[in-house]
Amino acid sequence: QVTLRESGPALVKPTQTLTLTCTFSGFSLSTSGMCVSWIRQPPGKALEWLARIDWDDDKYYSTSLKTRLTISKDTSKNQVVLTMTNMDPVDTATYYCARIRSGSPIDYWGQGTLVTVSS
Amino acid sequence: DIQMTQSPSTLSASVGDRVTITCRASQSISSWLAWYQQKPGKAPKLLIYKASSLESGVPSRFSGSGSGTEFTLTISSLQPDDSATFYCQQYNIYSYTFGQGTKLEIK
Repeated sequence: QVTLRESGPALVKPTQTLTLTCTFSGFSLSTSGMCVSWIRQPPGKALEWLARIDWDDDKYYSTSLKTRLTISKDTSKNQVVLTMTNMDPVDTATYYCARIRSGSPIDYWGQGTLVTVSS
Repeated sequence: DIQMTQSPSTLSASVGDRVTITCRASQSISSWLAWYQQKPGKAPKLLIYKASSLESGVPSRFSGSGSGTEFTLTISSLQPDDSATFYCQQYNIYSYTFGQGTKLEIK
């Protein structure tokens, strides 16, 4: 079955760079049509889509955050990495990775990882 | 960017009620709309895709309709387990945008 798991630091300091890893199983990012996205959710607030990487290495970013985000994949390890630079307390959120099949919405989500930005 | 606006933000209804949540897109998204249900501390769960297609395993009391810029999620007969926050999301090849959410409480 499809599973995704996020990993990374629970606490980062302002101005630091956040690196999150999504490790997945049950599908391959080398399969045509497969994609992985990152989404975040500040405590008590709405979901916000961040980025997506496709099987063919196409990448898409949130317009408002694209200067701070980089998404990459390691197909052999079944991992997707998201980096976000210049972290700020407003970036405190639960960060989710999720699977998408091209042309479809998100069908599988990870459990999420809470990242707190504080000095 | 396409903006998604949900209404109402909160909703209180009784078991057995028919409940409708509306989602409006700032420009036409054809039928590229999904609905998710999220319970506290959990990841969202896909309910509806392509505006009106029911995801496998989702109870038939959930239904979606609309196209273009106006969409609705309807729960035909509210159940206690339906207490949650519901999000609409537009999806196209380039971006995804969520609505701000509708918190549904059971009276």
